[in-house]
Amino acid sequence: GAVVSQHPSRVICKSGTSVKIECRSLDFQATTMFWYRQFPKQSLMLMATSNEGSKATYEQGVEKDKFLINHASLTLSTLTVTSAHPEDSSFYICSARDRWGTRGRYIQYFGAGTRLSVL
Amino acid sequence: GIQVEQSPPDLILQEGANSTLRCNFSDSVNNLQWFHQNPWGQLINLFYIPSGTKQNGRLSATTVATERYSLLYISSSQTTDSGVYFCAVEMRSSNTGKLIFGQGTTLQVKP
Repeated sequence: GAVVSQHPSRVICKSGTSVKIECRSLDFQATTMFWYRQFPKQSLMLMATSNEGSKATYEQGVEKDKFLINHASLTLSTLTVTSAHPEDSSFYICSARDRWGTRGRYIQYFGAGTRLSVL
Repeated sequence: GIQVEQSPPDLILQEGANSTLRCNFSDSVNNLQWFHQNPWGQLINLFYIPSGTKQNGRLSATTVATERYSLLYISSSQTTDSGVYFCAVEMRSSNTGKLIFGQGTTLQVKP
């Protein structure tokens, strides 16, 4: 099946620093990628839709200046958590959808997630 | 917005038992996927099933789109089946592909 690589898997940083998370589709092209956030023992909450070559679409309540998204190519989207604070500590997961689909099916494939801890 | 409800929230089984997990959704959907999230957080695709029935080994799933629910069946459960099972849907009115997740069912299979 299709593979989505997410890096890093874990990051610990000091309050006030910025952290960049990469999401790559390894064997397919993705015009659209998605970024989710998951708190312990909770479900995934969609943060934003990343569109190749254009601005990301953020869900209500998500600060676009705090969570910068760049989707510069058909295989790479990045999420930068700017001026991170302890309340930004969470599990961040990306997903990608094959732009062409397979027999009309547009399955979303997920990265392994990034666990961010802000001290 | 669309509501996605999963039941039961928690399930404890003895190894070898069978189980049924349910996902109800409040609107017509283009896409429905079942995932298993392992203890390390990785989401594993189980089924892409906006309608119909599929089987993969000990797992099978059925979606009745007209009645807006989907079922995931696990037979002869094993300890490695433990984890959280999520149902996620894409609204038919959506042209972005974004998935809305249910709250999940946490399954614990005891040896």
